[in-house]
Amino acid sequence: DGGITQSPKYLFRKEGQNVTLSCEQNLNHDAMYWYRQDPGQGLRLIYYSQIVNDFQKGDIAEGYSVSREKKESFPLTVTSAQKNPTAFYLCASMGFGDTEAFFGQGTRLTVV
Amino acid sequence: SQKIEQNSEALNIQEGKTATLTCNYTNYSPAYLQWYRQDPGRGPVFLLLIRENEKEKRKERLKVTFDTTLKQSLFHITASQPADSATYLCALDMVRGSQGNLIFGKGTKLSVKP
Repeated sequence: DGGITQSPKYLFRKEGQNVTLSCEQNLNHDAMYWYRQDPGQGLRLIYYSQIVNDFQKGDIAEGYSVSREKKESFPLTVTSAQKNPTAFYLCASMGFGDTEAFFGQGTRLTVV
Repeated sequence: SQKIEQNSEALNIQEGKTATLTCNYTNYSPAYLQWYRQDPGRGPVFLLLIRENEKEKRKERLKVTFDTTLKQSLFHITASQPADSATYLCALDMVRGSQGNLIFGKGTKLSVKP
């Protein structure tokens, strides 16, 4: 079955540590996105990539980094520079010319 | 910059009634507007899309309208059921003509009581 997979579902991080969230899709989609969701805030765009080896900052990119070495994969690293990383992170993908986004099941990151 | 407002954080209705959710936006009209459903702890799931040249779109018990003069979309669920209880998000493209780059409203949490 085609889809988009995020892992892990739950992640705990100590303060000062970097952590990487995985996002893989087998939908052959060109564009991939990372959103952050906080209670009452809706989805806020962190980074997006419309083609391999290229990505753009979204509204809240500070403290995050991404890579897009393969079409299927768009990992997100939450660095120690991100002051308030506890949140629900959602990855999405979209095909060329398509207009709906497909979302993964999300990763809930908690800083302990 | 483009802003989206879903002006009800929560909506409570009785089973069998029609739920109506509102999405308003500022600035330019998007090429299309989308509605998603999100259940707790899960990713959003696409429901309907309506384009700027369409007034209304239907899918089973769902209906979406788009008024570019009012800069507003309405999302209706007729004959609502407790299983319709979820958060509903509207989304529109941030850069006209670009691929994706959706921005989302904060969502409206719908509760349908038996």
